[in-house]
Amino acid sequence: GAVVSQHPSWVICKSGTSVKIECRSLDFQATTMFWYRQFPKQSLMLMATSNEGSKATYEQGVEKDKFLINHASLTLSTLTVTSAHPEDSSFYICSARPTGTSNSPLHFGNGTRLTVT
Amino acid sequence: KQEVTQIPAALSVPEGENLVLNCSFTDSAIYNLQWFRQDPGKGLTSLLLIQSSQREQTSGRLNASLDKSSGRSTLYIAASQPGDSATYLCAVFYSGNTPLVFGKGTRLSVIA
Repeated sequence: GAVVSQHPSWVICKSGTSVKIECRSLDFQATTMFWYRQFPKQSLMLMATSNEGSKATYEQGVEKDKFLINHASLTLSTLTVTSAHPEDSSFYICSARPTGTSNSPLHFGNGTRLTVT
Repeated sequence: KQEVTQIPAALSVPEGENLVLNCSFTDSAIYNLQWFRQDPGKGLTSLLLIQSSQREQTSGRLNASLDKSSGRSTLYIAASQPGDSATYLCAVFYSGNTPLVFGKGTRLSVIA
């Protein structure tokens, strides 16, 4: 079955540093990937839609200059949290579906737990 | 904007009880609805997916129903076990290459 790999699974960083999270579709190509964020005891909220070869689309309230998204290939999207602050500590999870299979279920990565100290 | 609401937010039951989790959504023009399980600090495990044309789906002790016209879905768990303790998330999908919209989840604790 389709697998989405997300790395790292957890990361601790100091305030002011940047952290990169990778999302890979292992056995399928994905023109579009979706990045979600989940604060403790809250739901998954869509942050942005990552589009291969073009700019990401950000949801209202998500700073595009702080959360840099690069979808450089059909199997890899990266989310970089720049100048991280403690309030960025959260669970970040990506998802994707194979290109050309609109309406098919999304496949999720296992998520990345980010802690900013 | 689509909103998904899950009731109750938390639930604690003794082992062996049957229970029902509720999900409602504001826009009934969904393509499908999906129930997930999330263990603390972990990713998502898909439990059941119901197409908009379907009324229910079953997997083992789980049964999910969908009433699209009223914007409601229920997840029924039979003979609950401590291993069922987790957060259960409901999510809806419109169509096309679009994301899922999630509810806030129901935190279930099954006490042995």
